[in-house]
Order: sequence, then structure tokens, then C-alpha cells
Amino acid sequence: QKEVEQNSGPLSVPEGAIASLNCTYSDRGSQSFFWYRQYSGKSPELIMFIYSNGDKEDGRFTAQLNKASQYVSLLIRDSQPSDSATYLCAVKSGDDKIIFGKGTRLHILP
Amino acid sequence: NAGVTQTPKFRILKIGQSMTLQCTQDMNHNYMYWYRQDPGMGLKLIYYSVGAGITDKGEVPNGYNVSRSTTEDFPLRLELAAPSQTSVYFCASSWVRPPTDTQYFGPGTRLTVL
Repeated sequence: QKEVEQNSGPLSVPEGAIASLNCTYSDRGSQSFFWYRQYSGKSPELIMFIYSNGDKEDGRFTAQLNKASQYVSLLIRDSQPSDSATYLCAVKSGDDKIIFGKGTRLHILP
Repeated sequence: NAGVTQTPKFRILKIGQSMTLQCTQDMNHNYMYWYRQDPGMGLKLIYYSVGAGITDKGEVPNGYNVSRSTTEDFPLRLELAAPSQTSVYFCASSWVRPPTDTQYFGPGTRLTVL
């Protein structure tokens, strides 16, 4: 059973600080990794994807991938109250299936 | 572009009733997906389609059926609704261009079975 694990939270971070969200996956053949943001009662929307080891930056967001450790993370710099949401990690496994984690609830404290 | 649209937004069914959840995308995406999301849980894949006329089961297909007669439409059929099917249903589409498969989600259908 291929799995994607996330800490469910809530993760509370002061406004202006760095929020760090983590995700581990079980399938070593996984190819692509995605971070989606989901506001309460809304549908998920893509923040970033990454498929090479290392860091990928987009504005205040940085995705980090370590395939050897089967670990992907999302850093949010200068956290804003509007960043309060559930963050879903998704992994495209070696057999082309996309598996979602249960999500981490992030709460930015004003 | 409207993106991915879903109807209805809300529905209450009685046990044993049937219904079809509609999903349409106008982005000419080849892949389409149906997920369900239970409270506090992630997304579970019900069915997906890689193109018109081709569908395949996901992780939780029991109690559901799909069809894909056109690129744009991917309806999900619930037969003999059960309380366990109470959930929020999301349709998504993507243009598969390996190694990335960005999925675009519809607004969801909140279904309650009583």
C-alpha cells in the first residue's frame, strides 16, 4: 500500500515567521510531488510542484525534495493570516497514480 | 474559461436512491478524475479517465460508476446510495505532461445520504 504521510496539525505559526510543512512517502519510484492549499469549504489549488532533488522557490514558497530520504517539504516565508489553510501533499507514484496525504492544518497567528 | 464546473453544489439523498454528479471542463484536458473527501481526511480517488472512452478504477470505486463519452464531460453515477457515501466529491482535470500533472479542481459537490 503506497502511502503519503503528513502531520495533521494544527500547526500554529506567528505572523511573519516561517511555516514548515513536511511530508513523507513510501514509494521509492515516485516521480513528481505536489503541494496543494485548501481553504475550509473550498477545493484544493496547486501551490507548487517539484520533481528534482533540491529546492524550488516561487515567491514566499519553497519546496524541498530529498528522494533518498523520501521526504518533501514546503516552507512559507513571511507567513500571512491568509496562509491559514490545510496543505495537502500529493505524490505521483511509480505506477502513475497520484496519492494525497490527509493534509496539515496551518494556523497563522496575527 | 470556466475551468472545471460541477453540479449540483449540494444534494441530500435517501438511502437506496440514485443520482449523477456532473463534471465538465473547458481546458481540453485529457485526464479527468473523481475524488471523495471525508471530514479531516485527504482525497481518495474513485475513478479516473485518460481520455474519451477510457476509464479506470481508483482506490475506492465500489458503489460508483463513470463514463467518458466526450473530452469535456465526466459524470459520476451513484447507484443505491448508502450513508457511507456521505462526503464531498471533487472532480479534477489535468493535461498530463510528464513529469508534472497539475490537477485543476472543481468547486465540489456536498452529498448527504440519510
